[in-house]
Amino acid sequence: QKEVEQNSGPLSVPEGAIASLNCTYSDRGSQSFFWYRQYSGKSPELIMSIYSNGDKEDGRFTAQLNKASQYVSLLIRDSQPSDSATYLCAVNFLTNTGNQFYFGTGTSLTVIP
Amino acid sequence: DGGITQSPKYLFRKEGQNVTLSCEQNLNHDAMYWYRQDPGQGLRLIYYSQIVNDFQKGDIAEGYSVSREKKESFPLTVTSAQKNPTAFYLCASSIESFPSTDTQYFGPGTRLTVL
Repeated sequence: QKEVEQNSGPLSVPEGAIASLNCTYSDRGSQSFFWYRQYSGKSPELIMSIYSNGDKEDGRFTAQLNKASQYVSLLIRDSQPSDSATYLCAVNFLTNTGNQFYFGTGTSLTVIP
Repeated sequence: DGGITQSPKYLFRKEGQNVTLSCEQNLNHDAMYWYRQDPGQGLRLIYYSQIVNDFQKGDIAEGYSVSREKKESFPLTVTSAQKNPTAFYLCASSIESFPSTDTQYFGPGTRLTVL
């Protein structure tokens, strides 16, 4: 069974703090990993993708991947109220019928001004 | 502008009706996907298609049907057999490459409500 687990939250951080979002996955064969941001009533938008162990930084966002521990995280530095949203972790791997994404249920983040 | 469009944005269905949700992309992506999202839940895969004239069932295909007659289009029909269709429906597409490093991009979604 392929599973992607996230803490549902809600996670609240003060403006300017670091928000840390975590995700674990069950399949060691997973190849690529994604973080999406979803505002209420809107569709998910891609924030970060990561494929190799280690850190990947893009502006205020840093994705961290540890394949041995089957763990991927997203750090948001200098959090802003506009970062308040649900963050979805997605794991992609190849099946015998093609690529399939598995999504976590999302972590709700609130940044308090 | 390249992207994925879905229509309508809001859709109301009466009991026993079939309704069709439209999804079009001009990204030249081979793969397209339909997901369902319920409040407080993650995305669940309904159907996906890797190439034209071929599609595969996802985890919750019962009560739904799709077609893929053109690369750009992947409509989803919610049939009367789907007992609880009220949800937010999301269409996505990806280039489809090997190894599986594809990114999926989403359309704006259709919110379906059963009256």
